[in-house]
Amino acid sequence: AQTVTQSQPEMSVQEAETVTLSCTYDTSENNYYLFWYKQPPSRQMILVIRQEAYKQQNATENRFSVNFQKAAKSFSLKISDSQLGDTAMYFCAFMAQGAQKLVFGQGTRLTINP
Amino acid sequence: DAGITQSPRHKVTETGTPVTLRCHQTENHRYMYWYRQDPGHGLRLIHYSYGVKDTDKGEVSDGYSVSRSKTEDFLLTLESATSSQTSVYFCAINRDGNQPQHFGDGTRLSIL
Repeated sequence: AQTVTQSQPEMSVQEAETVTLSCTYDTSENNYYLFWYKQPPSRQMILVIRQEAYKQQNATENRFSVNFQKAAKSFSLKISDSQLGDTAMYFCAFMAQGAQKLVFGQGTRLTINP
Repeated sequence: DAGITQSPRHKVTETGTPVTLRCHQTENHRYMYWYRQDPGHGLRLIHYSYGVKDTDKGEVSDGYSVSRSKTEDFLLTLESATSSQTSVYFCAINRDGNQPQHFGDGTRLSIL
């Protein structure tokens, strides 16, 4: 069974700083997808970024980028120029190709301070 | 926004009563999912559906049943609610099993 671990329960940074959230996973699969979801206080689950395991290039979406290390089974999220609206819970998630099922980490609560 | 509506948004009920949560989608997506969110656990899959009348169990399916009689609706039923089922429940959908899942706004269920 796959597992996803987020080792930082809480993080806090100042506005405009760069912050990196860690995620590691365990799988024997070779083809899979990794995701970061954001959950603001409104409780919505918002897709931030997606990475396909077969792609060596790290995914980026505006201020959000990932550092995908397949051999190390690591998938960290970097938020550049952090904004107050980035305050949220962030969940890392794994899905084996063809499995249809997302496996989530425990989440990291990120607070951006003014 | 993906067209997903969960109802009710909040519910308080008593132990032993039946509860049904509804997820309605307007996207005509094949796959639908029910998750529960609890502190320290992230989201965990309860059941999912890969078509009308086609469902399968997830990680935490005990005490829950589901039904999907038409593409747009996926129902989650707690036959006899227990306090351990107090949680926030999320529905999700995707067109293809390998695509990102899009989530509804969640239902907060409290069982006293």
